[in-house]
Amino acid sequence: DVKVTQSSRYLVKRTGEKVFLECVQDMDHENMFWYRQDPGLGLRLIYFSYDVKMKEKGDIPEGYSVSREKKERFSLILESASTNQTSMYLCASSPLYEPQHFGDGTRLSIL
Amino acid sequence: AQKITQTQPGMFVQEKEAVTLDCTYDTSDPSYGLFWYKQPSSGEMIFLIYQGSYDQQNATEGRYSLNFQKARKSANLVISASQLGDSAMYFCAMRLSSSNTGKLIFGQGTTLQVKP
Repeated sequence: DVKVTQSSRYLVKRTGEKVFLECVQDMDHENMFWYRQDPGLGLRLIYFSYDVKMKEKGDIPEGYSVSREKKERFSLILESASTNQTSMYLCASSPLYEPQHFGDGTRLSIL
Repeated sequence: AQKITQTQPGMFVQEKEAVTLDCTYDTSDPSYGLFWYKQPSSGEMIFLIYQGSYDQQNATEGRYSLNFQKARKSANLVISASQLGDSAMYFCAMRLSSSNTGKLIFGQGTTLQVKP
């Protein structure tokens, strides 16, 4: 079975902090994705990566950056956390043109 | 504009009955794929079923089937013989073949509650 692991299920940080969310997949997938989920809005794509060191902006990249130094790991970075970034963050991975497999999500609160 | 619309914020169904969750989509791409995911209260997203735009038959996976009506641009999920464990949020999503990255566009989600 595909395993996508997110480093934290729950995280509480303060405004202005630099926040790192980590995601690791064990199936050698090319594609990895970061989404945020908010009530009534569904999932919105923040960034995705289709190869090591390759990344593209999704629909809502402002305030975020990403890093993919190794194929299995895709990190989401909140450069200076703000309260409007309180949300559920979901990481996913997939081979090209296959269904995405998701991690368990990280519920992030910015105080 | 590429969009997925789920018009039912919440649904109730009696255990053992069938339920249909609505999904409509908007795209001008001739080739696309449609997905349904389930999200229990624990948070993980579980892939349920996939339908390609050129597939001749409606997709089925166990108790899940996808009622695909291309002319109406609808891809409704049908769950037969509902179980208590089906209580969850359900998301419809679309992938465009013109996107070479597998990016998904998600709807707002429908919360399903199964009553005993």
